[in-house]
Amino acid sequence: GNSVTQMEGPVTLSEEAFLTINCTYTATGYPSLFWYVQYPGEGLQLLLKATKADDKGSNKGFEATYRKETTSFHLEKGSVQVSDSAVYFCALSEVQGAQKLVFGQGTRLTINP
Amino acid sequence: GAGVSQSPSNKVTEKGKDVELRCDPISGHTALYWYRQRLGQGLEFLIYFQGNSAPDKSGLPSDRFSAERTGESVSTLTIQRTQQEDSAVYLCASSPRRGNNSPLHFGNGTRLTVT
Repeated sequence: GNSVTQMEGPVTLSEEAFLTINCTYTATGYPSLFWYVQYPGEGLQLLLKATKADDKGSNKGFEATYRKETTSFHLEKGSVQVSDSAVYFCALSEVQGAQKLVFGQGTRLTINP
Repeated sequence: GAGVSQSPSNKVTEKGKDVELRCDPISGHTALYWYRQRLGQGLEFLIYFQGNSAPDKSGLPSDRFSAERTGESVSTLTIQRTQQEDSAVYLCASSPRRGNNSPLHFGNGTRLTVT
């Protein structure tokens, strides 16, 4: 079945460091890919998405490129801030016409000042 | 505006008891999803409602789990004869329309602890 594998956490970085959180997927067909973020005390919210190969999703300085050849959707940010501390989830949409999402296990990111 | 609201935020119950979890989606959202997140794991799809269509129940782990939705409003997830392995955060999400370009809006979840 379809699945998403994320880089295991927790990840701890200093402010202004470069961030990469790896995500690879297994899917039939051509799923859409997403990164969701959960800030402390809040619900999950969409961070960015890409709906086809070679698309780049971006938001709040974060980027991820849909790589069909490597079945990856790695999340990157050039200079992280303390406010980026959160849990990040990679996900794919499993069914066309409905957004039945398959999630990775989440990666907890802590940014120290 | 108001987001997805879930209640209760925390529930502690004894093994064998039934529990009912509630989700109020964002007004006008036709799609509603339930997910479960066990400690240290990803989100596990449970069930999906879309308008008046038959729900997709393919993720429900056993017949102890059921869910209902009244029209395009509130949904309840019921777990009968709870077991310790049911302990998890139960997340509800809604979406304004069908299709995989519509973002999901999640509630803060109900943390269920079965003792």
